Amino acid sequence: GDSVTQMEGPVTLSEEAFLTINCTYTATGYPSLFWYVQYPGEGLQLLLKATKADDKGSNKGFEATYRKETTSFHLEKGSVQVSDSAVYFCALTSGTYKYIFGTGTRLKVLA
Amino acid sequence: DAGVIQSPRHEVTEMGQEVTLRCKPISGHNSLFWYRQTMMRGLELLIYFNNNVPIDDSGMPEDRFSAKMPNASFSTLKIQPSEPRDSAVYFCASSLDGVGEYGYTFGSGTRLTVV
Repeated sequence: GDSVTQMEGPVTLSEEAFLTINCTYTATGYPSLFWYVQYPGEGLQLLLKATKADDKGSNKGFEATYRKETTSFHLEKGSVQVSDSAVYFCALTSGTYKYIFGTGTRLKVLA
Repeated sequence: DAGVIQSPRHEVTEMGQEVTLRCKPISGHNSLFWYRQTMMRGLELLIYFNNNVPIDDSGMPEDRFSAKMPNASFSTLKIQPSEPRDSAVYFCASSLDGVGEYGYTFGSGTRLTVV
């Protein structure tokens, strides 16, 4: 079945450091890929998405490119801020209502 | 738009009591989902409604759990009787469609503690 694998956390960075959170997937067909962010005490928020190969999703300085050849959708940000501290979830859907979520990666940014 | 509204934010109850969680989806969204989040299991889809009709309840843990959506603007998740292992954060989410392409909008969740 479809699956999403994220890098283990927590990831601890200093402010203004470069961020990469790895995400790889297994799916039949051509899934749509998503990154969600969960701030403490809140629900998940859609951060960005890509619906076909080579698409780049971007939002709030975060980017991720849909790489079909490597089945990856890594999240990147050039300069993180303390306010980016949260849990990040990679997810996919293969054209149905069912999302497959990764286990989440906790990011902690230190001032 | 106020987003997806859940109530209560926190619920502490004794084992054996009935618990009702409430959700108001975003107006115009025709799909509604109930999720449970725990450290051990992560995010689990409990039930999916489309146009107020339950489409998939295969994730509902057992008969103690039930969910209703009497109209497009309101849904409930009920646990009766509650048990300590039901302690978790329960999220409601809604979507423009049932295909997931537009992403989900999640509520802030209800943190349930059963003692």
